[in-house]
Amino acid sequence: AQSVSQHNHHVILSEAASLELGCNYSYGGTVNLFWYVQYPGQHLQLLLKYFSGDPLVKGIKGFEAEFIKSKFSFNLRKPSVQWSDTAEYFCAVNEKNAGNMLTFGGGTRLMVKP
Amino acid sequence: DTAVSQTPKYLVTQMGNDKSIKCEQNLGHDTMYWYKQDSKKFLKIMFSYNNKELIINETVPNRFSPKSPDKAHLNLHINSLELGDSAVYFCASSLRGADNEQFFGPGTRLTVL
Repeated sequence: AQSVSQHNHHVILSEAASLELGCNYSYGGTVNLFWYVQYPGQHLQLLLKYFSGDPLVKGIKGFEAEFIKSKFSFNLRKPSVQWSDTAEYFCAVNEKNAGNMLTFGGGTRLMVKP
Repeated sequence: DTAVSQTPKYLVTQMGNDKSIKCEQNLGHDTMYWYKQDSKKFLKIMFSYNNKELIINETVPNRFSPKSPDKAHLNLHINSLELGDSAVYFCASSLRGADNEQFFGPGTRLTVL
């Protein structure tokens, strides 16, 4: 069965600091990878996704993620965080050619101090 | 315009009751989902529903039953509510196929007393 691990449960940063959130998945087949963000009191929104091609993907709000197949990783990065990036971040995976049921990681709560 | 909407936003009820949560999407999608987010923010798929094809996560108790009157609606009915059912339930929709983004609703916070 698929599983997704996010090793950082809580991250606290000051504004302008760089961010990297880890995501590793366990699955032997070909997968699609996603990062979703949940701002306080709001629904999940897609930050970025990787289906194929260039392993470095850019998303909204200055976020990017790199797919490293050999490490089964899809880490999220942002060079300089803002207070408004305070949110819960979720990595998710689904299996290509097998429906669209996402398996989510446990989430990382990011707090950015002004 | 709201893409994926859910009602109610909050639901407080007693153990043993039966309740329903409604979900509607106006995106023209053909697949809808229900996810459960527990108190630790862990999100887990419950159901996927596409044109009368229901895919059930085998860990979901049969007290939970999705009902889809048409492809724009997927309601979640819960019988005999238990304390452990307290969670936030998110509806989502997408086009069929893994290479399609899922759009999520605002969530329904269910509290079982």
